[in-house]
Amino acid sequence: AQRVTQPEKLLSVFKGAPVELKCNYSYSGSPELFWYVQYSRQRLQLLLRHISRESIKGFTADLNKGETSFHLKKPFAQEEDSAMYYCALIDGGSQGNLIFGKGTKLSVKP
Amino acid sequence: DAGVTQSPTHLIKTRGQHVTLRCSPISGHKSVSWYQQVLGQGPQFIFQYYEKEERGRGNFPDRFSARQFPNYSSELNVNALLLGDSALYLCASSLERPARYEQYFGPGTRLTVT
Repeated sequence: AQRVTQPEKLLSVFKGAPVELKCNYSYSGSPELFWYVQYSRQRLQLLLRHISRESIKGFTADLNKGETSFHLKKPFAQEEDSAMYYCALIDGGSQGNLIFGKGTKLSVKP
Repeated sequence: DAGVTQSPTHLIKTRGQHVTLRCSPISGHKSVSWYQQVLGQGPQFIFQYYEKEERGRGNFPDRFSARQFPNYSSELNVNALLLGDSALYLCASSLERPARYEQYFGPGTRLTVT
């Protein structure tokens, strides 16, 4: 079954420290993976998708098919990065529906 | 454009009642998807509509139904409400089928079943 696992419920770091939010997936075939972010009192929004290979707000994520991982990284965390982060994949057998992980709450302390 | 809009913002219902949630997609978007987000979990897919036809259905009971109107807005209906239906219901729209196009989420409707 297709599944997304985010092992950390909460990740707390100090401003300026590196951040890595973990995401592992279970999928047969070539997955299409995303990171979504939800800032306090805002709606869920796309942060980045692996096929675009972009760096958004200093965040990057590399798809590692061997380890079935898509970890989100940022070298220097900022307080405004504090938010809920969700890893998701597109259900290839469907019409593009998203399968989400449970999310990781990132807290960046001053 | 205000983005995806959903109504109502909050709703309190009693077990056994019926509820209708509404979603207006971004102007020009033809696809609407519904997700349920229970506290502490990620969103879970319920339905997808594209060009007014159901294109996908998640693992939810028949008490859940939806439809899309000619103006591409959508309704999610839940009958015989259970306590476990308490959740944030999210609507997302995309320009065309979401397999190729970004999904934009609304603010959600918070449903509480007592």
